[in-house]
Amino acid sequence: DQQVKQNSPSLSVQEGRISILNCDYTNSMFDYFLWYKKYPAEGPTFLISISSIKDKNEDGRFTVFLNKSAKHLSLHIVPSQPGDSAVYFCAASVLNKLVFGAGTILRVKS
Amino acid sequence: NAGVTQTPKFQVLKTGQSMTLQCAQDMNHNSMYWYRQDPGMGLRLIYYSASEGTTDKGEVPNGYNVSRLNKREFSLRLESAAPSQTSVYFCASSAGLTRVLTGYTFGSGTRLTVV
Repeated sequence: DQQVKQNSPSLSVQEGRISILNCDYTNSMFDYFLWYKKYPAEGPTFLISISSIKDKNEDGRFTVFLNKSAKHLSLHIVPSQPGDSAVYFCAASVLNKLVFGAGTILRVKS
Repeated sequence: NAGVTQTPKFQVLKTGQSMTLQCAQDMNHNSMYWYRQDPGMGLRLIYYSASEGTTDKGEVPNGYNVSRLNKREFSLRLESAAPSQTSVYFCASSAGLTRVLTGYTFGSGTRLTVV
């Protein structure tokens, strides 16, 4: 049973608009949440993280929101750029190990 | 460039053959990890090493063994490859198990096909 779920396999957004990637989790013991970005033929790269005691963390164009009551995490990218086209993985930490979702393919159209 | 280096990048094995995937990091990180990525499954943890001299099982350890050769190197061995082990394998490292907020650094992956 997947503890971290990304229910949208893909998302297509126009350049300059907002991209919203979603993630749901089931384990209330997760203490940190992270987003990774992956280009083809490369390894995932760390993007942004948030502690379970916070509900928002911002880094430039990227903002992560955490709703613990709903067990829901989202990544907002504003404005979206063609270079943001990649696979985005949501990850959660339990006992200091990361559990990953299946990923969402983001395509930003110019 | 500093980072995590994996070898080989591609490999085709016959069922029953053995091989070792190599991983080395030059960031003086304490912890290292092996993940596999399969379509629709995300990345699943195979084994990890919290520090030099220690190794522990992850979510999907069956069919694999690991060796933390020294602080820099962490290898993954398939003793008798099976088609179910066809996957992309990623090695990662981090400053320590308690440094989760800063993320892991991943290698570029090894694409393994078992026929």
